[in-house]
Amino acid sequence: GAGVSQSPSNKVTEKGKDVELRCDPISGHTALYWYRQSLGQGLEFLIYFQGNSAPDKSGLPSDRFSAERTGGSVSTLTIQRTQQEDSAVYLCASSTPTGGATYGYTFGSGTRLTVV
Amino acid sequence: GIQVEQSPPDLILQEGANSTLRCNFSDSVNNLQWFHQNPWGQLINLFYIPSGTKQNGRLSATTVATERYSLLYISSSQTTDSGVYFCAVDISGNTPLVFGKGTRLSVIA
Repeated sequence: GAGVSQSPSNKVTEKGKDVELRCDPISGHTALYWYRQSLGQGLEFLIYFQGNSAPDKSGLPSDRFSAERTGGSVSTLTIQRTQQEDSAVYLCASSTPTGGATYGYTFGSGTRLTVV
Repeated sequence: GIQVEQSPPDLILQEGANSTLRCNFSDSVNNLQWFHQNPWGQLINLFYIPSGTKQNGRLSATTVATERYSLLYISSSQTTDSGVYFCAVDISGNTPLVFGKGTRLSVIA
């Protein structure tokens, strides 16, 4: 696609439920990144994909968080047994095969997750 | 890991004024980018600038890699420039960008 597409744009869920967030990167971008931004804060790195593999998942805050990427394209971030502290905007970015060395990252519009 | 510090944390400008935002980083970098996050939360890539100087309209950026800092210049500011400006760096093509905490800019008419 022309840009990075994320869905849903907003998600309200009850504490304890599981949620899935989707990211569709720019066509041809092999690198894909998930970040989290809490209200008024900076961006916190979660996980990075190169193709379908995740060479760096060091930012995932707990084992309730997982992500996968299939076909070198769409990625899904899953949060199990959501907690109120998971409330944040989840941002996805993609970049060129060299990890952003030429044109940099392009971000999607994010998914605003609210856990009630 | 690499540290990224931005200053000032907050800035209020009268429309038409100029400003300089600074980003210091603690190690040699492979990539440096400046982003603008508008009031609706969208992150816009302003510059990819690991070294040198680039200009785009009223915005320009300079990175002095040997001294580990980058500057973002905004001239003749407009209310639409309001938002948060982030600097982000990585140390290789196989590591993710690390973001600074941002500079929150408010331009008032």
